Amino acid sequence: TQLLEQSPQFLSIQEGENLTVYCNSSSVFSSLQWYRQEPGEGPVLLVTVVTGGEVKKLKRLTFQFGDARKDSSLHITAAQPGDTGLYLCAGAGPNTGNQFYFGTGTSLTVIP
Amino acid sequence: DAMVIQNPRYQVTQFGKPVTLSCSQTLNHNVMYWYQQKSSQAPKLLFHYYDKDFNNEADTPDNFQSRRPNTSFCFLDIRSPGLGDAAMYLCATSLRGTGAYEQYFGPGTRLTVT
Repeated sequence: TQLLEQSPQFLSIQEGENLTVYCNSSSVFSSLQWYRQEPGEGPVLLVTVVTGGEVKKLKRLTFQFGDARKDSSLHITAAQPGDTGLYLCAGAGPNTGNQFYFGTGTSLTVIP
Repeated sequence: DAMVIQNPRYQVTQFGKPVTLSCSQTLNHNVMYWYQQKSSQAPKLLFHYYDKDFNNEADTPDNFQSRRPNTSFCFLDIRSPGLGDAAMYLCATSLRGTGAYEQYFGPGTRLTVT
């Protein structure tokens, strides 16, 4: 069962454009993580959100957790080629045991 | 720096020849995971250890086994690799009980089966 759906699946944009990636679920999560993965490397944790409605910023990246803790979004302002990669969301708890449920992934390409 | 280490980064094995991938961590986390990832898809959980308790996913092939001799190390054994087992294998850790669940990944091992 795929608990988390990400959209879009693929995104190709020009440098300097803005974009938003969505992570949606019908399940409630205690926390939700966003990762970026570059080719040939493991996913790198960008942020964890735990409170409904929470907004976190990491330089040009803004992350939001939905009020009901079922969905999240990642907004990138003025995208740069270094933002290229696979973006993954993952949810955990309260009823997932030790498991993290991953989203379907968004492959982002930023063209110089 | 505390981290998750995977060795080797690249592994080539022959069809049917057993192979072992290793993972170590300096985070002192009590949960360790093994994932399989293919071509920009989401990682697929194979199994995980919570301390010494082994938890196998229902759809993980019997061909895949794991060992965790101590807190720091975890191994993935593929007894008879097939061509379909070529993939990136990711090890991850988390600290159960902190309330804010976070998972940390190693750099992965790219397995090629010839």
